[in-house]
Formats: sequence, structure tokens, C-alpha cells
Amino acid sequence: EVQLLESGGGLVQPGGSLRLSCAASGFTFNIYAMSWVRQAPGKGLEWVSGISGNGFRTYYADSVKGRFTISRDNSKNTLYLQMNSLRADDTAVYYCTYDYWGQGTLVTVSS
Amino acid sequence: DIVMTQSPDSLAVSLGERATINCKSSQSVLSSSNNKNYLAWLQQKPGQPPKVLIYWASTRGSGVPDRFSGSGSGTDFTLTISSLQAEDVAVYYCQQYYNTPRRTFGQGTKVEIK
Repeated sequence: EVQLLESGGGLVQPGGSLRLSCAASGFTFNIYAMSWVRQAPGKGLEWVSGISGNGFRTYYADSVKGRFTISRDNSKNTLYLQMNSLRADDTAVYYCTYDYWGQGTLVTVSS
Repeated sequence: DIVMTQSPDSLAVSLGERATINCKSSQSVLSSSNNKNYLAWLQQKPGQPPKVLIYWASTRGSGVPDRFSGSGSGTDFTLTISSLQAEDVAVYYCQQYYNTPRRTFGQGTKVEIK
């Protein structure tokens, strides 16, 4: 059974940082490109960042470019999202996904 | 990025009636190498993560009732719920995965009971 378990969300002040993790199991992690997708309260789904299976190629939405960094550790079957210079409009549930979805982790940026 | 546009933004349908949602992509998501459309339909109920209903534009996911069907090719796609049930109240999204991992979404269509 495929499982994607996000963690690392929480309350952070504007300008702060958080690192999200996604522990994957039930599939061959290193052959799949992975993405982070977020959903602000009451809003739709927004693709945030993606990474190739080997980790060599990374992609970002314009809204997070220069502030967020995606990475993966295929030896640990784990996907990461380092989020710096956080803003109020980064407040959202962050999902780890490819063809399956995790439960998400809530990030709240507020003073 | 490929821009996905859904219509309508919301619709209200009587129980047992048909619901139809449209999705248009800014460029074709049909691959010439395998003749497959890289288009999925997702269902999201309140407080839950999205669930994949349809992939390859018309293939139902495991356990998805056959009242859900997908059609279309290239840039124009449709999700049809043939006989709306109370448990189908949700927001539905189309998603392209032609540019994986840059998977983009439509804005969502909220389906309610009339």
C-alpha cells in the first residue's frame, strides 16, 4: 500500500523558516518524480515545486522561487521542502504527491 | 506552465441527475509517443486530501463507481457523473501530468445538491 506521510508543519512568524518532510513507502520511490502541492484555506490546489526521481532536476512555481528548496533522499525514501522567508500568503496545507496524495501538513504564517 | 481552466465554477444538480464538468488545457496533453492523454480528475471532500477518480483522461481509479466517467482528448476534457448521489458532493479538479513534475490544476468545480 502506498503511503505518503507529511510532517514538519506548524505556526511560524513572517520571515521565518520551516522544513517539511514526506516519508514515502509502498512503491519504488527513486523512480518517481515528486511534487509539493499546497492549498490555502478555502482555495484551490496550487503546484509549488517538483523534483525528478534522481533529484538532479528541480522546478518551482514563480510564487516560491528563490525562497523554497525541494530535495529528496532516496536512501531514506523521503522528500523535503525547505521554506525560507515565509509570508502570510504561504499559509496552506502542503501535500506531498505524485499519483497518490498524503494527508497534508498545515503551515500557518502569522505573527 | 500548462494552464488548466474548468467550467463551471460551481453547479447544483438534483439527486439522480447528470452532472458535467469541463476542463480545457492551454496546450495539448496528448502524447504522440503513446497516444495517451496526461489528464486526471480529482475529487476533494471537505477536510480530506484529493482523491484520484480518473487518469489517462478516461480510466477509472480503483474502487471508483462507474457513474463517474471521463472523456476528451488533446485540450478539451469532460467529467460526467451520470446519476448524482449525495456522497458525490465535493470539489472536482482536473490536473495535467504531461509536464510531470510540473502538474498543474484547474481552479476547481464545486458540485452541490439542488
